[in-house]
Amino acid sequence: GAGVSQSPSNKVTEKGKDVELRCDPISGHTALYWYRQSLGQGLEFLIYFQGNSAPDKSGLPSDRFSAERTGGSVSTLTIQRTQQEDSAVYLCASSSFPRGRTGELFFGEGSRLTVL
Amino acid sequence: SQELEQSPQSLIVQEGKNLTINCTSSKTLYGLYWYKQKYGEGLIFLMMLQKGGEEKSHEKITAKLDEKKQQSSLHITASQPSHAGIYLCGAPHYGGATNKLIFGTGTLLAVQP
Repeated sequence: GAGVSQSPSNKVTEKGKDVELRCDPISGHTALYWYRQSLGQGLEFLIYFQGNSAPDKSGLPSDRFSAERTGGSVSTLTIQRTQQEDSAVYLCASSSFPRGRTGELFFGEGSRLTVL
Repeated sequence: SQELEQSPQSLIVQEGKNLTINCTSSKTLYGLYWYKQKYGEGLIFLMMLQKGGEEKSHEKITAKLDEKKQQSSLHITASQPSHAGIYLCGAPHYGGATNKLIFGTGTLLAVQP
């Protein structure tokens, strides 16, 4: 499809397990964002990739969280040793705006993570 | 760091009524974006405001940007059940090394038929 694709759409895991969430942005979009949304909350910024620049990781809540973006396209958000407070919807978004500008973001439908 | 606070947090209105949602920034606004989220879905872009005093409309939704007040308002006229959802404002983060987009706390809107 032409939109941002995220997988899995739902993930249930046990506390302490590692999880990987995948984001396939719109082709050609240089900017990619990860956000986290807890129930009834706004969006919490996690990490931002822009082209070949070093990512802005300032929103990652702990060193258990990491993200990669391979070949300037697909991104993977990894959460190690998951905790119950990690339960949330993880949203990915991409944008065609270059560095220094911020424009319309196109969001995926999110990956709902439940940690038991 | 910059924060965006939205008010009210939630709102229930009767169909046909008008309503306003506010988004206030703790720092200078360099543009403001409004998004809508249906339950279980991703966010849908509504409109973008780039200049102080700018006002845009899309169907029955109008948004204004007041740079001096570091605030934006979203007004819905003659609300319909299709307007129900979570409304989120977003803004380029003030300062820092990148122009990441941060979001407000969200406003949950329910429209009763």
